[in-house]
Amino acid sequence: KAGVTQTPRYLIKTRGQQVTLSCSPISGHRSVSWYQQTPGQGLQFLFEYFSETQRNKGNFPGRFSGRQFSNSRSEMNVSTLELGDSALYLCASSLSPSGATEQYFGPGTRLTVT
Amino acid sequence: AQSVTQLDSHVSVSEGTPVLLRCNYSSSYSPSLFWYVQHPNKGLQLLLKYTSAATLVKGINGFEAEFKKSETSFHLTKPSAHMSDAAEYFCASHGSSNTGKLIFGQGTTLQVKP
Repeated sequence: KAGVTQTPRYLIKTRGQQVTLSCSPISGHRSVSWYQQTPGQGLQFLFEYFSETQRNKGNFPGRFSGRQFSNSRSEMNVSTLELGDSALYLCASSLSPSGATEQYFGPGTRLTVT
Repeated sequence: AQSVTQLDSHVSVSEGTPVLLRCNYSSSYSPSLFWYVQHPNKGLQLLLKYTSAATLVKGINGFEAEFKKSETSFHLTKPSAHMSDAAEYFCASHGSSNTGKLIFGQGTTLQVKP
């Protein structure tokens, strides 16, 4: 089976712009979660989707949003980019949102905001 | 609130010697616990998971971890380090039983010296 894929892998944007990141889960996985990874804050949970519904949201401002499509693919959007949004954004998929279910991560999208 | 603490930010071992990466968790119940590894410029790879079955969990690449409820610990070990084990390691806990949200420790960088 193909793993979790994320596009694009690298992105450079200017402060104030918006960006959309895409994630395709492992075939058959219906749960997708997003995480932000920075050197200072480490890995922080952004949001979780299951069957096109947002089940959980982390402590991020409203500029961060996401959605999930009927084929389980997910996108996240960041509007009005700030320098502090520079990070590695990781997507993870799992069969279900159960706490016991392991999550499989994609390679990430490296976002640089200048 | 749940939290995960990795007690060492950096661990250095010689090739062929044992590895010990320490993780403590804080939770009001017995959580699902995970260890992930991240090689440079890569996503996270699942090493092993604990979900209230056997307290000694075996993972990939010779790693194992022992869940000790009395000590609220989930330390990762490997009998003999290889050069290819050099990477960053993350301990994680599920936020609750019915969510995929993962709470991560700050990570431990493992250096393996020849």
